[in-house]
Amino acid sequence: DVKVTQSSRYLVKRTGEKVFLECVQDMDHENMFWYRQDPGLGLRLIYFSYDVKMKEKGDIPEGYSVSREKKERFSLILESASTNQTSMYLCASSPDRGQYQETQYFGPGTRLLVL
Amino acid sequence: EDQVTQSPEALRLQEGESSSLNCSYTVSGLRGLFWYRQDPGKGPEFLFTLYSAGEEKEKERLKATLTKKESFLHITAPKPEDSATYLCAVQAWNNNAGNMLTFGGGTRLMVKP
Repeated sequence: DVKVTQSSRYLVKRTGEKVFLECVQDMDHENMFWYRQDPGLGLRLIYFSYDVKMKEKGDIPEGYSVSREKKERFSLILESASTNQTSMYLCASSPDRGQYQETQYFGPGTRLLVL
Repeated sequence: EDQVTQSPEALRLQEGESSSLNCSYTVSGLRGLFWYRQDPGKGPEFLFTLYSAGEEKEKERLKATLTKKESFLHITAPKPEDSATYLCAVQAWNNNAGNMLTFGGGTRLMVKP
């Protein structure tokens, strides 16, 4: 079974704090993703990575950065948390299958509240 | 631009009352269509991948079908434990990164005993 884990289920931070969200997958997947999910807006892609030390911006990268130093680990960083970053954060990973479909497998999510 | 629209937004069923959820999509070159189930406060759980019109996949009370413009998730004789939000997503060949997904807004299913 594919396993994607996220460092925290719930997190409460203050405005202006630097926040680290960590994601680890155990299936040797090449691709990893960070999404946020908000009521009425659905899932929106923040950043993704297709290889170690590689990153690409998604649809809403502003206010976020990422780090992928090891294949199994992908970190999302909020440089200076703001209240509009209160959300559910979801990490996903997928294999690189070339011409075939690349199913994404999701972690349990981190619900972040910024006060 | 790839687009995915799911309907209805919410669906209430009595236990045993079969129904279907719709996912309409526009994409230039479908690589795959994915169905996920999401329980409140949890991450989406993968259900099915479909990639060619006419394809069908089944899992317990769920059956997913695909045409060139839409996909249906048929739920036969649902039980209360089938209550969840069902998400549809497409993966296109024409993305700069072909592994990206475009999600629909989801259908929230509630099955009453």
